[in-house]
Amino acid sequence: EVQLLESGGGLVQPGGSLRLSCAASGFAFSNYAMSWVRQAPGKGLEWVATITFNGGSTHYADSVQGRFSISRDNSKSTVYVQMDSLRAEDTALYHCVKGRDGSRISSGWDSWGQGTLVTVSS
Amino acid sequence: QSALTQPASASGSPGQSITISCTGTSSDIGEHGYVSWYQQHPGKAPKLMIYDVTNRPSGVSNRFSGSKSGNTASLTISGLQAEDEADYYCTSYKPINTVVFGGGTKVTVL
Repeated sequence: EVQLLESGGGLVQPGGSLRLSCAASGFAFSNYAMSWVRQAPGKGLEWVATITFNGGSTHYADSVQGRFSISRDNSKSTVYVQMDSLRAEDTALYHCVKGRDGSRISSGWDSWGQGTLVTVSS
Repeated sequence: QSALTQPASASGSPGQSITISCTGTSSDIGEHGYVSWYQQHPGKAPKLMIYDVTNRPSGVSNRFSGSKSGNTASLTISGLQAEDEADYYCTSYKPINTVVFGGGTKVTVL
């Protein structure tokens, strides 16, 4: 059974930083692209970032480009997102999601974690 | 404002069929066959229902089907059941190397 367990969320002041982690199990982690998708309270879903199976390529939404950095450690089956210069509009539940293949960023996300809540507020 | 346009709501009686539209542009839905649909029940993580416009993942009921015409993708739910009441989101690949979501459609089973 595929499991994705996010951690690292919490309350942070505007301009601050957080690093989210997602520990994966139940599948061959190093074969699949991984992404982060967020959902602000009471709002819709928003794609944040994707990293290909070997970490060779990363892609970001315009809203986080230059502030967020996605990475992965295939030896630990873990994907990360480093979030800097956080803004109030980054407040959301952040889901770790597994792609259906190794490289396409839009192949469909067939497994989702339950999410970790990030709140940006003074 | 979402990049893809979905109706805010849709409804139908048990046993009926409903179709949810997802309208983009010639550079996303119109050009690429990379449309996915997700179902989200309240308080739950989304679930992949359709990928690459028409394909169902293993385990998804065949009452769910996807299609595309021009710049608009559609999700049809046949034989509507109470458990289908949820929010539905479409996504599409958008050059270069981004993914866009629709704003979501709340489906109500009357």
